[in-house]
Amino acid sequence: AAGVIQSPRHLIKEKRETATLKCYPIPRHDTVYWYQQGPGQDPQFLISFYEKMQSDKGSIPDRFSAQQFSDYHSELNMSSLELGDSALYFCASSFKSGGGELFFGEGSRLTVL
Amino acid sequence: AQSVAQPEDQVNVAEGNPLTVKCTYSVSGNPYLFWYVQYPNRGLQFLLKYITGDNLVKGSYGFEAEFNKSQTSFHLKKPSALVSDSALYFCAVRALYNFNKFYFGSGTKLNVKP
Repeated sequence: AAGVIQSPRHLIKEKRETATLKCYPIPRHDTVYWYQQGPGQDPQFLISFYEKMQSDKGSIPDRFSAQQFSDYHSELNMSSLELGDSALYFCASSFKSGGGELFFGEGSRLTVL
Repeated sequence: AQSVAQPEDQVNVAEGNPLTVKCTYSVSGNPYLFWYVQYPNRGLQFLLKYITGDNLVKGSYGFEAEFNKSQTSFHLKKPSALVSDSALYFCAVRALYNFNKFYFGSGTKLNVKP
């Protein structure tokens, strides 16, 4: 079965650079979530989209933005990168009228030097 | 406010012994409860969920969880642990009235020794 696809899997950037992460949800899923997971921490909710509209916002820095496109894929844009942005970034998708569980991608590991 | 607590940072069990990973929750109304497993540098994999019905829920890889409304708990269990079960386990909750919110616990590292 198709899963959530994230790219790139690994990304190395310098401080103050910009990074873009992409997420392709499971087909027919209408909701996308972005999470940030630091080393040894639980996933922290950043932002979510339902039917291409932002549905909720968590602890997403102002330097970050995200959107969901007409084909339902989503992109997380991160600017003015800081060392503390180094983390695993997960995308998850779900079908709002489904069983409630989120399906996660394998994550994108961002390292800021 | 919704929250999930996993009181143990780490659980150690011997292979073949039963395991329990604890989770308590706080949510207004009826909760949707989930367990996920995460292997190093991998995404979270869905194990099982409770929405309604039978309090004992069976999931993937022989795991099960028991919903206890009076104790607001949703402990993960397995009758016989395998070394390959060693991983990070997360409990999560979402509230029916605020379905966009999905809250994770802090995670419990399960170590199964041969």
